[in-house]
Amino acid sequence: SYVLTQPPSVSVAPGKTARITCGGNNIGSKSVHWYQQKPGQAPVLVIYYDSDRPSGIPERFSGSNSGNTATLTISRVEAGDEADYYCQVWDSSSDHQVFGGGTKLTVL
Amino acid sequence: EVQLVESGGGLVKPGGSLRLSCAASGFTFSSYSMNWVRQAPGKGLEWVSSISSSSSYIYYADSVKGRFTISRDNAKNSLYLQMNSLRAEDTAVYYCARATTGLLGTTYFDYWGQGTLVTVSS
Repeated sequence: SYVLTQPPSVSVAPGKTARITCGGNNIGSKSVHWYQQKPGQAPVLVIYYDSDRPSGIPERFSGSNSGNTATLTISRVEAGDEADYYCQVWDSSSDHQVFGGGTKLTVL
Repeated sequence: EVQLVESGGGLVKPGGSLRLSCAASGFTFSSYSMNWVRQAPGKGLEWVSSISSSSSYIYYADSVKGRFTISRDNAKNSLYLQMNSLRAEDTAVYYCARATTGLLGTTYFDYWGQGTLVTVSS
């Protein structure tokens, strides 16, 4: 089955740029989606199709995907961005949805 | 406004059964695939099952295949998850999520419910 690998944690100072990676075999050939989850809340879609933003998501959130790594980039990080972030793809070989293990973003 | 409201969670003994429901509103339910995603306490998200708009295509994670059954009633705008032979490792918050499917079948979850907690313990 397809595996997505994320770093358990990323720390960043306010106003700086956070980059959260999602690794997978030839993930660049797949569409990657990203979710933000704050404590006690349901996940929220922040990026779909590698780099598209749903309405209401700040332009500070962006995504890229190439080779074996997809990246969620959060510019000008704010305290309110502190959350867990998950990447997700559809594994066409099994028709299963796959989530990465999640990355906890800490704003210092 | 899209709303997904789960219900049916609770405490159940190992080997027991539970049926979760998800009431949908604010969109044309019969036009969308729907999914169940769970999250064990302190753990990450795990996809559980998906069902296409007309129930023609149904998929399960290996961890629940043969024990869980997903279904929907488009007339009632409702999604269900029948969970049998429950195990301690099924303890989790279960989320109902609407899926939008694009070209080549790739799917993302654009709306989520608030979840319902299932606890499997003796």
